[in-house]
Amino acid sequence: DAGITQSPRHKVTETGTPVTLRCHQTENHRYMYWYRQDPGHGLRLIHYSYGVKDTDKGEVSDGYSVSRSKTEDFLLTLESATSSQTSVYFCAIRSESTGELFFGEGSRLTVL
Amino acid sequence: AQSVTQPDIHITVSEGASLELRCNYSYGATPYLFWYVQSPGQGLQLLLKYFSGDTLVQGIKGFEAEFKRSQSSFNLRKPSVHWSDAAEYFCAVGSNDYKLSFGAGTTVTVRA
Repeated sequence: DAGITQSPRHKVTETGTPVTLRCHQTENHRYMYWYRQDPGHGLRLIHYSYGVKDTDKGEVSDGYSVSRSKTEDFLLTLESATSSQTSVYFCAIRSESTGELFFGEGSRLTVL
Repeated sequence: AQSVTQPDIHITVSEGASLELRCNYSYGATPYLFWYVQSPGQGLQLLLKYFSGDTLVQGIKGFEAEFKRSQSSFNLRKPSVHWSDAAEYFCAVGSNDYKLSFGAGTTVTVRA
């Protein structure tokens, strides 16, 4: 296992409420990513981080913010959830030695 | 910006038959290319990757892929599929800033 865990794994919330998803790694990798997966779209990058306090936007960043206050944790926040943010969210870490991304098991978010 | 196209949304193949999944990418420089597999309800697992060198790369589970620069393609093949190969397959292209862009995926169904 790549040492990456996501929490919560499942969440149901209502429109307009804030939601935070957590990604935790035990590998001390520099790069971490948040993707969302939707049918017909594959995985789309939301935000990524290249170090503590260093983050950048991906292709679908509107409505999302991230924070990385320490190497092992990368948080994804939906300040005011909307139904269009119903999705499965995947965190990933990048191995510096092999270049590949290792993925968590996903967090399924439903916004009613 | 890079992009990936997987022309086939769904492929059905008989057990023991060969499989080929198509992937075309768009990227201005030499790409980093990946194939990932996702079983239902699971995260993504790396099958193989291409960074440089030999254009025919071998991966896990008996898969291989060939990088063809002239065709901007990175097609995935397996000579003889097993029922356990039923899954969704994603092609991805990476850039020098370590962001991966994924195709929409191809779902493979294996019939007995």
